[in-house]
Amino acid sequence: QITLKESGPTLVKPTQTLTLTCTFSGFSLSTSGVGVGWIRQPPGKALEWLALIYWNDDKRYSPSLKSRLTITKDTSKNQVVLTMTNMDPVDTATYYCAHHDQNLGYCSGGSCYPGNWFDPWGQGTLVTVSS
Amino acid sequence: EIVLTQSPGTLSLSPGERATLSCRASQSVSSSYLAWYQQKPGQAPRLLIYGASSRATGIPDRFSGSGSGTDFTLTISRLEPEDFAVYYCQQYGSSPPTWTFGQGTKVEIK
Repeated sequence: QITLKESGPTLVKPTQTLTLTCTFSGFSLSTSGVGVGWIRQPPGKALEWLALIYWNDDKRYSPSLKSRLTITKDTSKNQVVLTMTNMDPVDTATYYCAHHDQNLGYCSGGSCYPGNWFDPWGQGTLVTVSS
Repeated sequence: EIVLTQSPGTLSLSPGERATLSCRASQSVSSSYLAWYQQKPGQAPRLLIYGASSRATGIPDRFSGSGSGTDFTLTISRLEPEDFAVYYCQQYGSSPPTWTFGQGTKVEIK
C-alpha cells in the first residue's frame, strides 16, 4: 500500500522560504519510472501543479513558479523536499504530494503510454502566509 | 501552455440522475494524457480516470470517460450520494513537461 504524508510549517511570514517534506512508503524512488509530485490548492480554488522529481533525479517545475521552487529527494529516507522562496499571502494553500509512476501506463490501439497522472495523494498540509 | 476549461462550474442534480461533465482544452491534447479526479470536502483528490477513458483501480463502472482532441467528458451514469463532490480534469503536456488541471466542476445535490 502506497502512502504519502506532507509535513512542514503551518504558518510562514511573507518573504520567508517554505520547506515542505513528503514522507512516503510502499514504493521506492530508486525504481525506474517512479516520481513524486507536489500540487497545491488555495482555499476554495483549483489544483495547481508545482513540481515533480523522478527516480533519476530529473526535475520538472511549473514554468510560472520555477524561479522560486526547488525539489530534492532523499531516497534512503523515502522523502522528497520542496522549497519555495519569497512566500506571499497568495501562496496560502493546501500543499499535496503525490505518487507518480510511468510504469503504470496502459496500452490501447496497439500503442502503449506511460502513466502521467498522480495516484495516490497525501492528505495535504495547509500553509498560511501571513505576518 | 494548454489551458483546461471545465463546464459547468456547478451541476445541481438529484441522486439517480446522470451527470455529464465537460473538459475542454485550449489546444489538442493526447487522450492518453488526460485524467479525471474526484475531490470531496477536506480530502485529497482521488484518481478516477486515466487515458481519457480507463477507470482507475476500484472505481465503480458508473464512472466513464470519453473524448479526444480538445473535448473530453466525464459521465456518472447514476449519481450515488457519495458522488457529490468536485471533479477535476488534468492533462500532461510534454513540451515542456508540465501537468495542468482544470478549474473543477462541483456536482451538488439538487
